[in-house]
Amino acid sequence: GENVEQHPSTLSVQEGDSAVIKCTYSDSASNYFPWYKQELGKRPQLIIDIRSNVGEKKDQRIAVTLNKTAKHFSLHITETQPEDSAVYFCAASTGDDKIIFGKGTRLHILP
Amino acid sequence: DGGITQSPKYLFRKEGQNVTLSCEQNLNHDAMYWYRQDPGQGLRLIYYSQIVNDFQKGDIAEGYSVSREKKESFPLTVTSAQKNPTAFYLCAIKGELNTEAFFGQGTRLTVV
Repeated sequence: GENVEQHPSTLSVQEGDSAVIKCTYSDSASNYFPWYKQELGKRPQLIIDIRSNVGEKKDQRIAVTLNKTAKHFSLHITETQPEDSAVYFCAASTGDDKIIFGKGTRLHILP
Repeated sequence: DGGITQSPKYLFRKEGQNVTLSCEQNLNHDAMYWYRQDPGQGLRLIYYSQIVNDFQKGDIAEGYSVSREKKESFPLTVTSAQKNPTAFYLCAIKGELNTEAFFGQGTRLTVV
């Protein structure tokens, strides 16, 4: 079945530096790749997504890239701030039914 | 809650008892999902339903059951067959674009 691998499981970066989280997926039929941010004790919330017909998408300090040939996609956060500290999840979907999530990355922003 | 409501927020269960978690939505969406979250395990799909009176098993359906008698409701029953039920349970619907998942606030279940 569909599988999504996410790395690293934990990431610490200095405030102001960039953070990169990487994911790979197994189902070549996947065509939608959302990213979620989950703060402590709260529900995951969508922060950015990308579809298979696009290679890159940016929204202020956040960007996502997709390499369909290699079946991997990445989240890039620039100029990190303390409020970026959270758990981030990648996911993949064929668009019709299941949405499969990675295991998450705990991001720590160091002062 | 943005159209999707889970209750209760916290739930305690004795070993050997069944318990039902509620998930209600008022956005008229067809697809609904149940995920289980454990530390370091991410979000694992338990069951999902794309239409009333129909549902499919996810990756970890053993020990759980669901029903979809109404479009707005997708309750999850954690049965006594689930050996390690303590976890954070999240219900989701497909979002506005019918692609992304939109989550409820979650139910934290603890077996005592």
